[in-house]
Amino acid sequence: DSGVTQTPKHLITATGQRVTLRCSPRSGDLSVYWYQQSLDQGLQFLIQYYNGEERAKGNILERFSAQQFPDLHSELNLSSLELGDSALYFCASSVGEIWDTGELFFGEGSRLTVL
Amino acid sequence: AQSVAQPEDQVNVAEGNPLTVKCTYSVSGNPYLFWYVQYPNRGLQFLLKYITGDNLVKGSYGFEAEFNKSQTSFHLKKPSALVSDSALYFCAVRDLSGGYNKLIFGAGTRLAVHP
Repeated sequence: DSGVTQTPKHLITATGQRVTLRCSPRSGDLSVYWYQQSLDQGLQFLIQYYNGEERAKGNILERFSAQQFPDLHSELNLSSLELGDSALYFCASSVGEIWDTGELFFGEGSRLTVL
Repeated sequence: AQSVAQPEDQVNVAEGNPLTVKCTYSVSGNPYLFWYVQYPNRGLQFLLKYITGDNLVKGSYGFEAEFNKSQTSFHLKKPSALVSDSALYFCAVRDLSGGYNKLIFGAGTRLAVHP
């Protein structure tokens, strides 16, 4: 058990809809990362938050947004969903300080299926 | 930009034989390199990391990795493969662009260990 909790584990929805994925990081971790894993794109970095503030952006679509709340949990919002958004979405956390060696702790993922 | 490449989509090995999963990297500065494993329907689990020091790094489940600066490689190895090692393996490099940690992952290599 990595200590990172993601909900829901599975989600099925229709094109055009909006969903929210939730992540609770490990106790004490300030950084939260979102990754998308799909068959054809591999593991893609989406976005990183540190202590409530956005820190790094990767290949995140404009239809997607995220935030990190004061209690450090994070939500990834996916809107105007398309078939191609079907994927496994991972949240990871780390201490995130400058001395952090970079090891990430991953949740079990949220599997999104868009029909 | 930092990147890693995993040249093999799949590696097949017989149980009891040694295994190698290849990874090459491209970084500016000193590389922080990682290996993660993903079992079916699970999140990524940390195996080992190289930051500095000995070129041979030992990790979880009997795995080790050899850092080779001249060949810019960080291959994952195990002396004797088990069927239970069958999984998806990811090499990753720490990216500090923007001043904050994130990991950039390779495309992954599927390891199949046959009885």
